[in-house]
Amino acid sequence: GEDVEQSLFLSVREGDSSVINCTYTDSSSTYLYWYKQEPGAGLQLLTYIFSNMDMKQDQRLTVLLNKKDKHLSLRIADTQTGDSAIYFCADVAGNKLTFGGGTRVLVKP
Amino acid sequence: GAVVSQHPSRVICKSGTSVKIECRSLDFQATTMFWYRQFPKQSLMLMATSNEGSKATYEQGVEKDKFLINHASLTLSTLTVTSAHPEDSSFYICSAIGDRDSGANVLTFGAGSRLTVL
Repeated sequence: GEDVEQSLFLSVREGDSSVINCTYTDSSSTYLYWYKQEPGAGLQLLTYIFSNMDMKQDQRLTVLLNKKDKHLSLRIADTQTGDSAIYFCADVAGNKLTFGGGTRVLVKP
Repeated sequence: GAVVSQHPSRVICKSGTSVKIECRSLDFQATTMFWYRQFPKQSLMLMATSNEGSKATYEQGVEKDKFLINHASLTLSTLTVTSAHPEDSSFYICSAIGDRDSGANVLTFGAGSRLTVL
């Protein structure tokens, strides 16, 4: 089945950029998502990218997609303490969404 | 934008009782709803996919008699944890997606329901 992998943890200083990486295995993925989860809360959709795109920018967020390498990244510019959370990438193939294990981002002042 | 409401957000129950969790799409018709389970510090595990008016499709290893899913209308799906036991304690999250015409053809998640079984 589909496998989506993320690094477990990222520590970054306030004001720096954060880059969270994700790899996936299903070449038929149609959408790829980034979600943010704060403690005890549900998932908040941050952004998504269609598989026929290679970049999408939305304010402080930049998503890069390398379809050949099946690699997705999320860059957060000017990281703030409120960005501390767990970030999940997920891909859609068919009607099925598969999540990565989540990357815990800790922003230090 | 699309909003999915989940209720209750927290529930504590005694072992052996049944608990119902509701998932509602507030401003769009959800053609498909998904139920996930999340253990502490882990990712989301898809439990089942439900389409309005038809039986839910359960993922391997998920007991359909234990986790009853009803998708009675295009705006409501319910998950009932029957005869709950402490190992069923978890965070349950639903998500919904509408068709292209609904303007909600991107998955939207509810805020989750934390179930604690004593």
